[in-house]
Amino acid sequence: GAVVSQHPSRVICKSGTSVKIECRSLDFQATTMFWYRQFPKKSLMLMATSNEGSKATYEQGVEKDKFLINHASLTLSTLTVTSAHPEDSSFYICSARYALGNRVDSYGYTFGSGTRLTVV
Amino acid sequence: SQELEQSPQSLIVQEGKNLTINCTSSKTLYGLYWYKQKYGEGLIFLMMLQKGGEEKSHEKITAKLDEKKQQSSLHITASQPSHAGIYLCGARLIELGSSNTGKLIFGQGTTLQVKP
Repeated sequence: GAVVSQHPSRVICKSGTSVKIECRSLDFQATTMFWYRQFPKKSLMLMATSNEGSKATYEQGVEKDKFLINHASLTLSTLTVTSAHPEDSSFYICSARYALGNRVDSYGYTFGSGTRLTVV
Repeated sequence: SQELEQSPQSLIVQEGKNLTINCTSSKTLYGLYWYKQKYGEGLIFLMMLQKGGEEKSHEKITAKLDEKKQQSSLHITASQPSHAGIYLCGARLIELGSSNTGKLIFGQGTTLQVKP
């Protein structure tokens, strides 16, 4: 259980265009999802917290107008990289939080398989 | 500043040897999660620790969380080539005030190579 599907796995786009990445929870409802960015040989950097039905919360230094997040349903969050530039090339990973049930406010976090974005 | 420090950043061991990866937080943790990642792929969940002094094991991997809930270690016994990859500790920090996003932040990661 608690599986997240992320698409596409790879995308190449031209500079100036926009790219949408989808993150779907397959067997549970994800009210909260997270978007991370990973640079080569580096760790995951949290970009934003996506909440179903409300605005995303962005981490300091992340441009909300460049990285648009929409969480319109309990099973889908999307990240749109607008007017992409080569410096936006990176590995993007989504994560969904799910309740563990063994204690209040106890959660597990499952991750998508990631999207390799290359902007040329 | 890095809220979660992971060490070492890279590790090369001979097959069959034991190894330990450490994860230290500057703040008290609500929960500590260990994941493994192959480069360019998603994260595979290993273990989660929530209670001070907690220890969990799965196959040859053991994770511990100290009593103060600020430091965790991941120990691999008799390493195998299949253990190679990037190990990441993720922490859910205790958030003060009204904000409780439950977000997970990560350490720098440890790249493990196991030589046959």
